[in-house]
Formats: sequence, structure tokens, C-alpha cells
Amino acid sequence: KQEVTQIPAALSVPEGENLVLNCSFTDSAIYNLQWFRQDPGKGLTSLLLIQSSQREQTSGRLNASLDKSSGRSTLYIAASQPGDSATYLCAVTVPGGGNKLTFGTGTQLKVEL
Amino acid sequence: EAQVTQNPRYLITVTGKKLTVTCSQNMNHEYMSWYRQDPGLGLRQIYYSMNVEVTDKGDVPEGYKVSRKEKRNFPLILESPSPNQTSLYFCASSPGTTRSYTFGSGTRLTVV
Repeated sequence: KQEVTQIPAALSVPEGENLVLNCSFTDSAIYNLQWFRQDPGKGLTSLLLIQSSQREQTSGRLNASLDKSSGRSTLYIAASQPGDSATYLCAVTVPGGGNKLTFGTGTQLKVEL
Repeated sequence: EAQVTQNPRYLITVTGKKLTVTCSQNMNHEYMSWYRQDPGLGLRQIYYSMNVEVTDKGDVPEGYKVSRKEKRNFPLILESPSPNQTSLYFCASSPGTTRSYTFGSGTRLTVV
């Protein structure tokens, strides 16, 4: 059974700092890995999608990497801003189960002024 | 605007009173799913659909029903809600296995 773990569960950094969020998964048989952002009381916003054959994806200040063989992904946020404060979730898509997403429990990020 | 729309956003109901949470997407996506989010447990799949009239159970289907009569709509039905179904529910859609998911804004359900 696929399990996804995110460390740390919570993180507080000063504005302007570069930071890395970690995601690990137990079964390397994935279609892709997706990073989401969730704001309090809101839905999930897709940030980056990495296919199983890819090593990384970039969007603005965000860079996500994928090492499928070791079951790890990282989300790098450059020059963090208070508006980046949110919960970040990673999820893998596994074969079968109708394109099911298996989620980690998230990292709650707070960027302080 | 491409989106997944859920209604209602908030719902408080009593045990045993049947309810339906609606979900509609305007992107012509094949795949649709329902998830529930609970503290400490994360998001878990309830039901999914790969196309019209094709639905199947996810990880936590007990107490829920779904239907997919039209491609755009995927309602979640609670025939006899119980307090353990108090949760935050999300509908999501995707065009295929290698494509990203779009989520609705969520429905916060409280069963008393």
C-alpha cells in the first residue's frame, strides 16, 4: 500500500529565506507526483506536476524535483514571502483506482515578516 | 473560467437526514473523484469515476453513494448521514492519468 510522508509537519521561516519541503513515498510505481497548496478554508491549488519520467519542474519561484528510485520529492521555494504561508501537500498518482491521488498529511508553512 | 464547482460550501444536518453534495466541472474531464479531509488522516478517496456510468469505490466508501449520469456532474449522496461523516469534502477532476487534478473549493459538512 502506497504511503506518503511529509516532513516537517510545520515550518516557520523569516521572509526572504529559501526553503525546502520534503515528500517521500513507499512505492516507486507512480504515474506522477503533484504538489498542491491549501489555504485555510479553501480548496487545493495545483502548483507543479512531475511525470514519473521527469526529474524536475519549475514555475516561478518554485522548483520541484523527483527521485523515483529513492521515493523522494522536494519542493524548493526561493525568496519566500508572507503570501506563501499555507499548507503544502504532495500527492502521487498510482496505477489502478481511477487515477487516485495518495496524499501526504502536509507541511504547514508560515513566512514571517 | 475552467473550474470545479461544489455546492453547498457549508452544511449542518442531523443524523439520518439524506443529503446530496453536488459537483460540476466545465473542462470535459474524464476522471472525477471525491475525497474527504480529516485532521491527522489527510485526504482520502471516497469514490471515483472514469467516465459516464463508470464509478467505483475508493478507500473509504462506506456510507456514501455516487452517480455519473452526465460527464460534467458527479454528486455525492449520503443516504443516512452519521456524525463520523463530519468532514471537509472535495470534488476533483482530471483529463487523464498523466494530467493534473483540479479541485473544487470544498464542502464543510457537520452531522449532529
